[in-house]
Amino acid sequence: GQQVMQIPQYQHVQEGEDFTTYCNSSTTLSNIQWYKQRPGGHPVFLIQLVKSGEVKKQKRLTFQFGEAKKNSSLHITATQTTDVGTYFCAGLPGNQFYFGTGTSLTVIP
Amino acid sequence: NAGVTQTPKFQVLKTGQSMTLQCAQDMNHEYMSWYRQDPGMGLRLIHYSVGAGITDQGEVPNGYNVSRSTTEDFPLRLLSAAPSQTSVYFCASRSSWTGSYGYTFGSGTRLTVV
Repeated sequence: GQQVMQIPQYQHVQEGEDFTTYCNSSTTLSNIQWYKQRPGGHPVFLIQLVKSGEVKKQKRLTFQFGEAKKNSSLHITATQTTDVGTYFCAGLPGNQFYFGTGTSLTVIP
Repeated sequence: NAGVTQTPKFQVLKTGQSMTLQCAQDMNHEYMSWYRQDPGMGLRLIHYSVGAGITDQGEVPNGYNVSRSTTEDFPLRLLSAAPSQTSVYFCASRSSWTGSYGYTFGSGTRLTVV
């Protein structure tokens, strides 16, 4: 079964609003990665988090790794139409990465 | 660098037919994986390899075979295609170095089984 769960499955926001997607695992993760997939495209690596409580920023994107290393979040501030796509987390509970179900983001201009 | 190259981009098969999806990478990555993507299911791991000559099963291996005779190539074989195998297939590779970047994905193969 799915080892890494992600919510919400879909999110529609007005341009300029913030957006957050959450990733949860029942087991402790060695690290977690985030990917973005544009409509019709392939997943593209965004970032990797390794340390408990780690926070990383990429411009308007903020990534967090939970203290227990079982959850993570991606927050986008002031969304733009270029943020449209599906965001996936991928967790490493063993020796292989398991992807979450993804959150599809629609940005309404 | 070409990255990860997948062929074909599109394929229609009849039930019971077999075929091989090709995947090649030119980054000297040790790890290679095959995923299938279905609506609402995310990316599910089919098979993976940690190096030439070494393969293992992922979450959904039934109906698929793989081999890894070289570092560069990791073909996925559908033994007897079924409509349930209609999906988008992605090949991905990454370095084994723990501080490395994540997976590099190919552009995908859209497979329809009728």
